[in-house]
Amino acid sequence: EMQLLESGGGLVQPGGSLRLSCAASGFTFSDYAMTWVRQAPGRGLEWVSAIGGSGSATYYADSVKGRFTISRDNVKNTVSLQMNNLRAEDTALYHCVKTMRETFNGFGERLDYWGQGALVSVSS
Amino acid sequence: DIQMTQSPSSLSASLGDGVTITCRASQRISTYLNWYQQKPGEAPKLLIYDTFVLESGVPSRFSGSGSGTEFTLTISSLQPEDFAIYYCQQSYSTPFITFGGGTKVEIK
Repeated sequence: EMQLLESGGGLVQPGGSLRLSCAASGFTFSDYAMTWVRQAPGRGLEWVSAIGGSGSATYYADSVKGRFTISRDNVKNTVSLQMNNLRAEDTALYHCVKTMRETFNGFGERLDYWGQGALVSVSS
Repeated sequence: DIQMTQSPSSLSASLGDGVTITCRASQRISTYLNWYQQKPGEAPKLLIYDTFVLESGVPSRFSGSGSGTEFTLTISSLQPEDFAIYYCQQSYSTPFITFGGGTKVEIK
């Protein structure tokens, strides 16, 4: 059975840093691109970042580019999101999400399995 | 970015009712449109992909249609487990995917 378990969330002051991790199991991890999607309290879904199966291709939303870094370890089956210079508007539940292909740059990509999420609160 | 607009933002319906949710894209996206269902306290779940295709295990009372800029999700006969928030998502401009604002389906 597929599982995605996020960790590392918490309360941080504006300008601070946090590192989220996602432990994957139940599928061949390196065969799939992974993404992070966030959901601000009472709001909709916003795509944040993605990484290809090999880890060589990474993508970021404009709202986090230059502040967030996505990485993966295909031996430990984990994907991480290093978040620096955090802002109040980054407050959200961050979901680790599996995609359907090794790459994440073609038409028709879909997000077929979501973790429960890690809560990040940015406040002074 | 491609903007996705859903309507209505919420609706109330009774068990057995048919409901339709609309999703509009700010530019043509062919049929690269997915739908997700999110129940309270749960992670979103993929419901329909590429406009029409039901994800494995999704009941046949769900259906999707559309192309270009206008899409619909239809539930033919509402069941208790269908009360949730539904999101559309375009997969035309991957990796820069975008979601609609969501439609909350509530019990009347």
